[in-house]
Amino acid sequence: SQQGEEDPQALSIQEGENATMNCSYKTSINNLQWYRQNSGRGLVHLILIRSNEREKHSGRLRVTLDTSKKSSSLLITASRAADTASYFCATAVKAAGNKLTFGGGTRVLVKP
Amino acid sequence: GAGVSQSPSNKVTEKGKDVELRCDPISGHTALYWYRQSLGQGLEFLIYFQGNSAPDKSGLPSDRFSAERTGGSVSTLTIQRTQQEDSAVYLCASRQTGVTEAFFGQGTRLTVV
Repeated sequence: SQQGEEDPQALSIQEGENATMNCSYKTSINNLQWYRQNSGRGLVHLILIRSNEREKHSGRLRVTLDTSKKSSSLLITASRAADTASYFCATAVKAAGNKLTFGGGTRVLVKP
Repeated sequence: GAGVSQSPSNKVTEKGKDVELRCDPISGHTALYWYRQSLGQGLEFLIYFQGNSAPDKSGLPSDRFSAERTGGSVSTLTIQRTQQEDSAVYLCASRQTGVTEAFFGQGTRLTVV
């Protein structure tokens, strides 16, 4: 089974609105990362949050991490049509040599 | 090179044939991953190479799948006796030693007919 599971599976919003997606995982992690994928090809790294961090910002992105609940959220503020993509969380498990395991992703559609 | 390079970009093969997919990681990256992604789905972990350590092959779906990494650089994923369910995009990623981001190639879209 997947180490990370995203919720919701799909999200449709209007341009300018915020988009929030969540990720839950099962085992202790070293860090959690969020990636974006356009058109079903290569993924691009967005942001990394370490296990001892609770919140991180990068531009319009805000990531939170709650290790007690084994969950993370990604917030995209003031969304744009260009934010339309699939977003994946990935966990790096120290016990597995920092192997990256991905969840099923959230497909985000931002309507102009 | 500037990024992770995968070849071919697209591959159509007949059921039962063997295929080889190639990944050229970013120079100096010690970690290399292979993933498989079916249409509209998440990334399924296949195999992970980390430096000189024995690879983590726990994600390979059957003994028809194998991968090697020569000289700590280029990797080849081989699928023998391909089946229609092997059709997917195969993604390769590399990463520097330490806790850092992974860089992905554009993938190889494999279609088994």
